[in-house]
Amino acid sequence: KQEVTQIPAALSVPEGENLVLNCSFTDSAIYNLQWFRQDPGKGLTSLLLIQSSQREQTSGRLNASLDKSSGRSTLYIAASQPGDSATYLCAVRGRAETSGSRLTFGEGTQLTVNP
Amino acid sequence: NAGVTQTPKFRVLKTGQSMTLLCAQDMNHEYMYWYRQDPGMGLRLIHYSVGEGTTAKGEVPDGYNVSRLKKQNFLLGLESAAPSQTSVYFCASSRTGSSYNSPLHFGNGTRLTVT
Repeated sequence: KQEVTQIPAALSVPEGENLVLNCSFTDSAIYNLQWFRQDPGKGLTSLLLIQSSQREQTSGRLNASLDKSSGRSTLYIAASQPGDSATYLCAVRGRAETSGSRLTFGEGTQLTVNP
Repeated sequence: NAGVTQTPKFRVLKTGQSMTLLCAQDMNHEYMYWYRQDPGMGLRLIHYSVGEGTTAKGEVPDGYNVSRLKKQNFLLGLESAAPSQTSVYFCASSRTGSSYNSPLHFGNGTRLTVT
């Protein structure tokens, strides 16, 4: 059974700092890995999706990397801003799945960026 | 530009009562999902649908039923609510299920309390 772990559970940084969020998964047979952002009381917003054949994806100040063989992904946020404060979740879609999209989610990292 | 819309946003039920949560998407997505989010347990898949008229069980289906009579709508029913079903429920949709590049789009959630 796929398990996804995110460390740390919470992170507080000053504005302007570059930071890295970590995601690890136990089964490397995956289709893709997706990073989401969740604001309090809101749903999840997709940030980046990395296909199993890719090593990284970039969107603005965000860069996500994937090392499938070691079961790890990182989300790099450059020049953090208070507006980046949210919970960040990663999710993997396993190749072993049949029809449907059974993503396995981590519990998230709660990020606070202090002005 | 609605995306995925969930109704209601909040609901309080007494044990044994029934209710239906409605999810509507306007992106012509084939796949739709219901998740529940609980502290310490992350997001867990309840049921999903790979197309109009189809449904399938996810990770935690007991106590819930679903229907997908129209492509744009996915209904989640609780026939006899229990306190263990107190949670935040999220609906999501995706263009396909197994495509490498098919991110999930989430609604804003329904916060359900069962007393």
